[in-house]
Amino acid sequence: NAGVTQTPKFRVLKTGQSMTLLCAQDMNHEYMYWYRQDPGMGLRLIHYSVGEGTTAKGEVPDGYNVSRLKKQNFLLGLESAAPSQTSVYFCASSPGGADYGYTFGSGTRLTVV
Amino acid sequence: AQKITQTQPGMFVQEKEAVTLDCTYDTSDQSYGLFWYKQPSSGEMIFLIYQGSYDEQNATEGRYSLNFQKARKSANLVISASQLGDSAMYFCAMREVGTSYGKLTFGQGTILTVHP
Repeated sequence: NAGVTQTPKFRVLKTGQSMTLLCAQDMNHEYMYWYRQDPGMGLRLIHYSVGEGTTAKGEVPDGYNVSRLKKQNFLLGLESAAPSQTSVYFCASSPGGADYGYTFGSGTRLTVV
Repeated sequence: AQKITQTQPGMFVQEKEAVTLDCTYDTSDQSYGLFWYKQPSSGEMIFLIYQGSYDEQNATEGRYSLNFQKARKSANLVISASQLGDSAMYFCAMREVGTSYGKLTFGQGTILTVHP
């Protein structure tokens, strides 16, 4: 019953440091997404993937990179963290189609100081 | 242009009363899905209810119902008999079939506070 698992749950980075957020799903979903949530702005799409080996940019991709080497994993990388990347990051997966919503991970709270 | 608009940053309701959370959307697609999610203070995103653009009846899930007015492009969430545990942030979201591989576009959210 794992669903979507995000690691880590919390992290504090110094400006300029790099890190990778891991998202893993066990539902055999084709589509995976990374969102960031900021106060008053809802959730904004960073990058997404429609299948193993494919990735695409979302609304706010600058400063982030992603990889989907295996169908069940979707990694979000920050190469050189900036304070503007302080946010809560959500991973989600979906089988696709208009009538399917997302299964969300529990989120990662990232603070860049 | 904003695709999903939630005009109520915050709403207050008395326990056991009903409350309506507003959501309007903008799309040129004929086929799309509308979703509501709840985010309690613990932070997780919980799916509440779904309405398809071709569904003729309003969706209902327990105490949640979706007042879907297609011509007005509105998809308001109605919570009946509010409970203290309903206090949370609520997001409206839309999924368009024809674009971007089914990504969800979210509104800004409405914080609901239920008073005893």
